[in-house]
Amino acid sequence: DAKTTQPNSMESNEEEPVHLPCNHSTISGTDYIHWYRQLPSQGPEYVIHGLTSNVNNRMASLAIAEDRKSSTLILHRATLRDAAVYYCILRGGGGSNYKLTFGKGTLLTVNP
Amino acid sequence: KAGVTQTPRYLIKTRGQQVTLSCSPISGHRSVSWYQQTPGQGLQFLFEYFSETQRNKGNFPGRFSGRQFSNSRSEMNVSTLELGDSALYLCASSLQGALTEAFFGQGTRLTVV
Repeated sequence: DAKTTQPNSMESNEEEPVHLPCNHSTISGTDYIHWYRQLPSQGPEYVIHGLTSNVNNRMASLAIAEDRKSSTLILHRATLRDAAVYYCILRGGGGSNYKLTFGKGTLLTVNP
Repeated sequence: KAGVTQTPRYLIKTRGQQVTLSCSPISGHRSVSWYQQTPGQGLQFLFEYFSETQRNKGNFPGRFSGRQFSNSRSEMNVSTLELGDSALYLCASSLQGALTEAFFGQGTRLTVV
Protein backbone atom coordinates (compact mmCIF):
# COMPACT_ATOMS: atom_id res chain seq x y z
CA ASP A 1 0.00 0.00 0.00
CA ALA A 2 1.05 3.56 -0.64
CA LYS A 3 2.35 5.58 2.29
CA THR A 4 3.04 9.29 2.77
CA THR A 5 5.68 10.75 5.07
CA GLN A 6 5.82 14.38 6.14
CA PRO A 7 7.98 16.25 8.67
CA ASN A 8 6.16 16.80 11.95
CA SER A 9 6.79 20.53 11.96
CA MET A 10 8.38 23.38 10.06
CA GLU A 11 8.96 27.02 10.77
CA SER A 12 9.01 29.99 8.45
CA ASN A 13 9.16 33.75 8.54
CA GLU A 14 6.43 35.97 7.24
CA GLU A 15 6.72 36.96 3.57
CA GLU A 16 9.31 34.26 2.87
CA PRO A 17 8.66 31.20 0.67
CA VAL A 18 7.87 27.89 2.33
CA HIS A 19 8.58 24.46 0.89
CA LEU A 20 6.64 21.65 2.52
CA PRO A 21 7.88 18.19 1.48
CA CYS A 22 6.01 14.92 1.22
CA ASN A 23 7.56 11.55 0.51
CA HIS A 24 5.40 8.93 -1.19
CA SER A 25 7.93 6.46 -2.52
CA THR A 26 5.34 3.69 -3.00
CA ILE A 27 2.94 5.82 -5.04
CA SER A 28 1.24 4.08 -7.92
CA GLY A 29 0.68 5.44 -11.38
CA THR A 30 -2.96 6.38 -10.82
CA ASP A 31 -2.52 8.08 -7.44
CA TYR A 32 -3.34 11.76 -7.33
CA ILE A 33 -1.49 13.90 -4.79
CA HIS A 34 -3.75 16.19 -2.77
CA TRP A 35 -2.82 18.84 -0.24
CA TYR A 36 -5.15 20.17 2.42
CA ARG A 37 -4.51 22.40 5.39
CA GLN A 38 -6.27 22.63 8.70
CA LEU A 39 -6.38 25.71 10.88
CA PRO A 40 -7.10 25.29 14.60
CA SER A 41 -10.71 24.36 15.37
CA GLN A 42 -11.62 24.16 11.69
CA GLY A 43 -12.11 21.47 9.10
CA PRO A 44 -9.44 20.91 6.47
CA GLU A 45 -9.28 23.30 3.54
CA TYR A 46 -8.37 22.30 -0.03
CA VAL A 47 -5.06 23.71 -1.22
CA ILE A 48 -4.05 22.00 -4.46
CA HIS A 49 -3.77 18.64 -6.22
CA GLY A 50 -1.95 17.08 -9.14
CA LEU A 51 -0.98 13.86 -10.88
CA THR A 52 2.28 14.26 -12.76
CA SER A 53 2.84 17.86 -13.84
CA ASN A 54 3.54 20.78 -11.58
CA VAL A 55 0.43 22.75 -10.68
CA ASN A 56 -0.19 26.35 -9.69
CA ASN A 57 -3.21 28.08 -8.24
CA ARG A 58 -3.88 31.25 -6.30
CA MET A 59 -2.96 29.63 -3.01
CA ALA A 60 0.15 27.61 -3.78
CA SER A 61 2.24 25.61 -6.21
CA LEU A 62 2.73 21.87 -6.25
CA ALA A 63 6.02 20.53 -7.53
CA ILE A 64 6.00 16.81 -8.30
CA ALA A 65 9.26 14.92 -8.73
CA GLU A 66 9.80 13.29 -12.08
CA ASP A 67 9.62 9.82 -10.55
CA ARG A 68 6.60 10.95 -8.49
CA LYS A 69 8.10 9.54 -5.31
CA SER A 70 7.98 12.93 -3.64
CA SER A 71 6.24 16.26 -3.95
CA THR A 72 6.62 19.72 -2.49
CA LEU A 73 3.94 22.22 -1.63
CA ILE A 74 5.22 25.75 -2.15
CA LEU A 75 3.73 28.79 -0.46
CA HIS A 76 5.33 31.68 -2.27
CA ARG A 77 5.03 34.29 0.48
CA ALA A 78 3.97 32.98 3.86
CA THR A 79 1.55 35.02 5.93
CA LEU A 80 0.44 34.54 9.51
CA ARG A 81 -2.82 33.13 8.17
CA ASP A 82 -0.87 30.27 6.58
CA ALA A 83 -0.02 28.83 10.01
CA ALA A 84 -1.78 25.46 9.96
CA VAL A 85 -1.29 21.71 9.72
CA TYR A 86 -0.66 20.72 6.10
CA TYR A 87 -1.70 17.25 4.97
CA CYS A 88 -0.38 15.38 1.97
CA ILE A 89 -2.92 12.80 0.82
CA LEU A 90 -2.88 10.23 -1.95
CA ARG A 91 -6.10 9.32 -3.74
CA GLY A 92 -5.56 6.19 -5.73
CA GLY A 93 -7.50 4.01 -8.04
CA GLY A 94 -10.30 4.89 -10.34
CA GLY A 95 -14.05 4.89 -10.12
CA SER A 96 -15.45 3.78 -6.80
CA ASN A 97 -12.57 1.56 -5.76
CA TYR A 98 -10.14 4.30 -4.79
CA LYS A 99 -7.92 4.24 -1.74
CA LEU A 100 -7.07 7.28 0.39
CA THR A 101 -3.71 7.47 2.15
CA PHE A 102 -3.27 10.28 4.64
CA GLY A 103 -0.04 11.78 5.85
CA LYS A 104 0.28 12.69 9.53
CA GLY A 105 0.59 16.34 8.61
CA THR A 106 3.19 19.08 9.03
CA LEU A 107 2.55 21.83 11.55
CA LEU A 108 3.69 25.07 9.95
CA THR A 109 4.56 27.94 12.25
CA VAL A 110 4.93 31.38 10.67
CA ASN A 111 6.94 33.94 12.59
CA PRO A 112 6.14 37.65 12.19
CA LYS B 1 -22.49 30.47 -0.96
CA ALA B 2 -23.23 28.55 2.23
CA GLY B 3 -20.55 26.11 3.32
CA VAL B 4 -20.80 22.57 4.60
CA THR B 5 -22.82 22.42 7.80
CA GLN B 6 -22.40 19.72 10.40
CA THR B 7 -24.68 19.26 13.37
CA PRO B 8 -24.34 19.02 16.24
CA ARG B 9 -20.94 20.60 16.85
CA TYR B 10 -20.42 18.81 20.16
CA LEU B 11 -21.85 15.63 21.58
CA ILE B 12 -21.32 13.59 24.72
CA LYS B 13 -22.57 10.01 24.76
CA THR B 14 -22.26 7.01 27.03
CA ARG B 15 -20.66 3.73 26.04
CA GLY B 16 -23.16 1.42 24.40
CA GLN B 17 -25.38 4.21 23.09
CA GLN B 18 -25.76 5.11 19.45
CA VAL B 19 -25.34 8.47 17.77
CA THR B 20 -26.39 10.12 14.51
CA LEU B 21 -24.44 12.97 12.99
CA SER B 22 -25.71 15.17 10.19
CA CYS B 23 -24.01 16.86 7.26
CA SER B 24 -25.54 19.35 4.83
CA PRO B 25 -23.33 19.74 1.76
CA ILE B 26 -22.84 22.76 -0.46
CA SER B 27 -25.74 23.16 -2.84
CA GLY B 28 -25.16 21.17 -6.02
CA HIS B 29 -22.57 18.85 -4.54
CA ARG B 30 -23.61 15.22 -4.83
CA SER B 31 -20.58 13.70 -3.16
CA VAL B 32 -20.43 13.60 0.63
CA SER B 33 -17.57 11.84 2.39
CA TRP B 34 -16.98 11.25 6.09
CA TYR B 35 -13.74 11.13 8.08
CA GLN B 36 -12.66 10.43 11.61
CA GLN B 37 -9.85 12.48 13.12
CA THR B 38 -8.05 11.51 16.33
CA PRO B 39 -4.71 12.58 17.81
CA GLY B 40 -3.39 9.04 17.58
CA GLN B 41 -4.60 7.89 14.16
CA GLY B 42 -4.90 11.23 12.41
CA LEU B 43 -7.38 11.48 9.56
CA GLN B 44 -9.09 8.30 8.43
CA PHE B 45 -11.65 7.82 5.69
CA LEU B 46 -14.99 6.37 6.70
CA PHE B 47 -17.12 6.35 3.54
CA GLU B 48 -18.37 8.33 0.58
CA TYR B 49 -21.88 8.72 -0.71
CA PHE B 50 -22.71 9.95 -4.18
CA SER B 51 -26.28 10.45 -5.38
CA GLU B 52 -27.66 8.43 -2.45
CA THR B 53 -25.37 5.44 -3.03
CA GLN B 54 -22.36 4.46 -0.99
CA ARG B 55 -19.50 4.65 -3.44
CA ASN B 56 -16.62 3.61 -1.24
CA LYS B 57 -15.83 2.81 2.36
CA GLY B 58 -12.78 2.74 4.56
CA ASN B 59 -11.64 0.12 7.03
CA PHE B 60 -14.09 0.66 9.87
CA PRO B 61 -16.37 -1.86 11.60
CA GLY B 62 -19.99 -2.25 10.64
CA ARG B 63 -21.02 -0.18 13.67
CA PHE B 64 -20.26 2.83 11.47
CA SER B 65 -22.89 3.40 8.82
CA GLY B 66 -24.28 6.21 6.80
CA ARG B 67 -26.83 7.26 4.29
CA GLN B 68 -27.55 10.06 1.90
CA PHE B 69 -30.89 11.60 1.08
CA SER B 70 -32.24 12.84 -2.23
CA ASN B 71 -31.28 16.42 -1.32
CA SER B 72 -27.66 15.20 -0.81
CA ARG B 73 -27.78 15.70 2.95
CA SER B 74 -26.03 12.86 4.70
CA GLU B 75 -26.14 11.22 8.07
CA MET B 76 -23.61 9.05 9.82
CA ASN B 77 -24.58 6.62 12.54
CA VAL B 78 -22.40 4.87 15.08
CA SER B 79 -24.01 2.14 17.12
CA THR B 80 -22.83 0.56 20.37
CA LEU B 81 -20.40 3.37 21.08
CA GLU B 82 -16.97 2.59 22.47
CA LEU B 83 -14.55 4.90 24.27
CA GLY B 84 -12.27 4.71 21.24
CA ASP B 85 -14.94 6.29 19.06
CA SER B 86 -14.26 9.63 20.71
CA ALA B 87 -13.05 11.79 17.86
CA LEU B 88 -13.72 14.71 15.58
CA TYR B 89 -15.99 13.54 12.77
CA LEU B 90 -15.67 15.56 9.59
CA CYS B 91 -17.72 15.54 6.47
CA ALA B 92 -16.77 17.00 3.12
CA SER B 93 -18.72 17.70 -0.03
CA SER B 94 -17.54 18.04 -3.59
CA LEU B 95 -18.75 17.98 -7.16
CA GLN B 96 -16.55 15.14 -8.34
CA GLY B 97 -15.73 12.85 -5.45
CA ALA B 98 -14.01 12.40 -2.13
CA LEU B 99 -11.15 14.82 -1.60
CA THR B 100 -11.29 16.25 -5.12
CA GLU B 101 -11.45 19.97 -4.38
CA ALA B 102 -13.65 19.14 -1.43
CA PHE B 103 -15.09 21.49 1.13
CA PHE B 104 -15.08 20.36 4.74
CA GLY B 105 -17.42 21.21 7.56
CA GLN B 106 -16.14 22.21 10.98
CA GLY B 107 -16.82 18.76 12.33
CA THR B 108 -18.71 17.19 15.19
CA ARG B 109 -16.69 16.57 18.33
CA LEU B 110 -17.94 13.30 19.84
CA THR B 111 -16.93 12.33 23.34
CA VAL B 112 -17.83 8.88 24.62
CA VAL B 113 -17.77 8.45 28.40
